[in-house]
Amino acid sequence: AQSVTQPDIHITVSEGASLELRCNYSYGATPYLFWYVQSPGQGLQLLLKYFSGDTLVQGIKGFEAEFKRSQSSFNLRKPSVHWSDAAEYFCAVGQEYGNKLVFGAGTILRVKS
Amino acid sequence: DVKVTQSSRYLVKRTGEKVFLECVQDMDHENMFWYRQDPGLGLRLIYFSYDVKMKEKGDIPEGYSVSREKKERFSLILESASTNQTSMYLCASSPGDSTGGYEQYFGPGTRLTVT
Repeated sequence: AQSVTQPDIHITVSEGASLELRCNYSYGATPYLFWYVQSPGQGLQLLLKYFSGDTLVQGIKGFEAEFKRSQSSFNLRKPSVHWSDAAEYFCAVGQEYGNKLVFGAGTILRVKS
Repeated sequence: DVKVTQSSRYLVKRTGEKVFLECVQDMDHENMFWYRQDPGLGLRLIYFSYDVKMKEKGDIPEGYSVSREKKERFSLILESASTNQTSMYLCASSPGDSTGGYEQYFGPGTRLTVT
């Protein structure tokens, strides 16, 4: 069965510092991978996705993620964090049938000024 | 832009009541989903639907049912609400094919409290 692990429940970074959020997945075939962000009291917004091709994908709000098959990872990065990036971030892996997604437990990002 | 709307942002119900959560999408998507979100557990799939009148159980269907009479509308029903169903409920839709993309588009969520 598919699974997604986000090892960090909470991360605190200083404004302007770089960020990396970790995501490891378990899936037998080539995965469809996603990162979503959820601001307090809101639904989820898609940051970026990987289906195939270039393993470094660019997303919105200056985020990028790199797919590493050998490590079963899809880590999210941002070179310089802004206070508005404080939110909860979810990694998800998808399968073709039914387009179902399996989500990680989420990482809460706090940004300190 | 894809828009997914949910009928209520906040809802308070009593134990034993029948509860309806409504979700509407405006992009003619094939697939629709209901999740519940609890702290530390991420999103867990309750039910999904890949066509009108079609539904499949997700990971935690117990205590819930769904209805999809029209393509754009997907309803989640709590037959007899219980306190352990207090949660955030998120609806999502997706195009359902590789050309349309597999990503899901989410509504703003309904925070349900059962007392």
